[in-house]
Amino acid sequence: DTGVSQNPRHKITKRGQNVTFRCDPISEHNRLYWYRQTLGQGPEFLTYFQNEAQLEKSRLLSDRFSAERPKGSFSTLEIQRTEQGDSAMYLCASSPRASYQETQYFGPGTRLLVL
Amino acid sequence: DQQVKQNSPSLSVQEGRISILNCDYTNSMFDYFLWYKKYPAEGPTFLISISSIKDKNEDGRFTVFLNKSAKHLSLHIVPSQPGDSAVYFCAASEGRAQGGSEKLVFGKGTKLTVNP
Repeated sequence: DTGVSQNPRHKITKRGQNVTFRCDPISEHNRLYWYRQTLGQGPEFLTYFQNEAQLEKSRLLSDRFSAERPKGSFSTLEIQRTEQGDSAMYLCASSPRASYQETQYFGPGTRLLVL
Repeated sequence: DQQVKQNSPSLSVQEGRISILNCDYTNSMFDYFLWYKKYPAEGPTFLISISSIKDKNEDGRFTVFLNKSAKHLSLHIVPSQPGDSAVYFCAASEGRAQGGSEKLVFGKGTKLTVNP
């Protein structure tokens, strides 16, 4: 399977704990995006990388959130001191080239439940 | 302020008939529009896209129409099949040519049910 992969697929944690999600983009895709989707809403942009550089962060990405893409391949999204409001589906997407109007391809998502 | 709106939360059609899903946007800087299909517990699957320089794009049973003056786009599925039952999201982006980041702005989705 050469699509975007995300791990874990599901995560249940207690409030206050830290969690980390991983995204492996499609090979040779140099743009990688993180989105969050809550019930009844469309996905909302969090942040994106071009290669290893994090180029934009949404206001939704509070200082408890941090994302990295150290070698320009896989990316991690960490949430520190989780809150119940962080419960959502976290989606990763990648696109092929640093040219405009490229389609983003999504992974299956990581569903987070904070108790 | 919601920049991409899908005003119909749900749509039900008979198998074999046409499904028309609508989307409106407010940001005139959007120049690329996409439709995604999403099944429960899965990520969005890309269906079809259209650039703002076109008014129509077709791919098999799926056709997207763009009316820039009205800031409106629609997805037509002909003929509809039961396997098309899913939530459909409209998304838009400002291309890098516009100085944008190409992040996608999504609508809230329309749940399509195709009845056998």
